[in-house]
Amino acid sequence: DAGVIQSPRHEVTEMGQEVTLRCKPISGHNSLFWYRQTMMRGLELLIYFNNNVPIDDSGMPEDRFSAKMPNASFSTLKIQPSEPRDSAVYFCASSLSGATDTQYFGPGTRLTVL
Amino acid sequence: DAKTTQPPSMDCAEGRAANLPCNHSTISGNEYVYWYRQIHSQGPQYIIHGLKNNETNEMASLIITEDRKSSTLILPHATLRDTAVYYCIVRVILTGGGNKLTFGTGTQLKVEL
Repeated sequence: DAGVIQSPRHEVTEMGQEVTLRCKPISGHNSLFWYRQTMMRGLELLIYFNNNVPIDDSGMPEDRFSAKMPNASFSTLKIQPSEPRDSAVYFCASSLSGATDTQYFGPGTRLTVL
Repeated sequence: DAKTTQPPSMDCAEGRAANLPCNHSTISGNEYVYWYRQIHSQGPQYIIHGLKNNETNEMASLIITEDRKSSTLILPHATLRDTAVYYCIVRVILTGGGNKLTFGTGTQLKVEL
């Protein structure tokens, strides 16, 4: 099993540019989560999808952030325009909904906005 | 959401058992306790979970008190590679499907020679 795959692993961009982060969940999983981790705020949930449908996006910081899941095997998190305060590590996780649906995390994308 | 309380840091000698405590006094009857760890610069790694019975797997053991208000994660023979931040989480099941993990600050475990 390949696990959750994220790309790119590192992204450096300039303020104002559009950034797109990608995630491929574990095959067969039907829930997908996007998290952000910073030193100040720790690990926080941004949005989660169940069966490709966004269920809760209350953690998305503002309108500059958007996430999509066009099919069961792919999701994107887009930031437009990016700002220096968006610099963080972004993790994607997936799980199989059920009584004990354990979330499995990807390796993360380290984003630096200059 | 049920909140958890963990000590900010702990040290353990290599080869000894590491016992990491967690308080979750407001846990509800159907909420699971999950443990994850995060080794520097990596994604959180699932360790173990339980509802009310003690659990054991190849990584660790989880001891949950009878009143379910606290639990202890046990790494039976800690190695240097177990140095990480350990998170105790009470999982919340969400309407609409899926679950929510709210990560606190965790316990920084340092395993030393």
